[in-house]
Amino acid sequence: GAGVSQSPRYKVTKRGQDVTLRCDPISSHATLYWYQQALGQGPEFLTYFNYEAQPDKSGLPSDRFSAERPEGSISTLTIQRTEQRDSAMYRCASSLGTGGLDEQFFGPGTRLTVL
Amino acid sequence: DAKTTQPPSMDCAEGRAANLPCNHSTISGNEYVYWYRQIHSQGPQYIIHGLKNNETNEMASLIITEDRKSSTLILPHATLRDTAVYYCIVRVKAGGTSYGKLTFGQGTILTVHP
Repeated sequence: GAGVSQSPRYKVTKRGQDVTLRCDPISSHATLYWYQQALGQGPEFLTYFNYEAQPDKSGLPSDRFSAERPEGSISTLTIQRTEQRDSAMYRCASSLGTGGLDEQFFGPGTRLTVL
Repeated sequence: DAKTTQPPSMDCAEGRAANLPCNHSTISGNEYVYWYRQIHSQGPQYIIHGLKNNETNEMASLIITEDRKSSTLILPHATLRDTAVYYCIVRVKAGGTSYGKLTFGQGTILTVHP
């Protein structure tokens, strides 16, 4: 595709519900990142994938958060038993190689609101 | 990754050069300086990066001091569309499982006014 896309763009859910966010990276990009951005703050790293491998999950706030990229392209971020503090913008980014220094291209984000 | 310090906000007149400073006094030899910006609610956008030499591209110039403890991002002719939050980020060159991630600080809110 032309750029990174994310869906849905907006998600409103009730506390305790599970949500799944989707990221479509730029085709052929090997690396995919997930970030969480609270209002007025810079994005914070959650996790990343090199193809389907997930070398680092250290940024995931709790075990309620999980991500996968089973075929090395599309990725999903799932939050179980959502809490109000999970409300944030969730951003996905992709980069061409696996070297770690490539430019990251960001998607438009998914705005999650937990009531 | 080394910590960076940036002023919280700056103003610039349209058409003038915007010079955004960044302090990274604890940077080590294998760390690059990257700049990204975020316009309103859009995703962050890459601007430029460098190791120790000055760099220039179509968007900006990056000046890194000889001791590499600070750098300046220069937008040569700022426009209203350059109003954004600018993030200075230090990234390790190689090694480790998390060296690809970007660690965003608070950034500098640049406001370009007519």
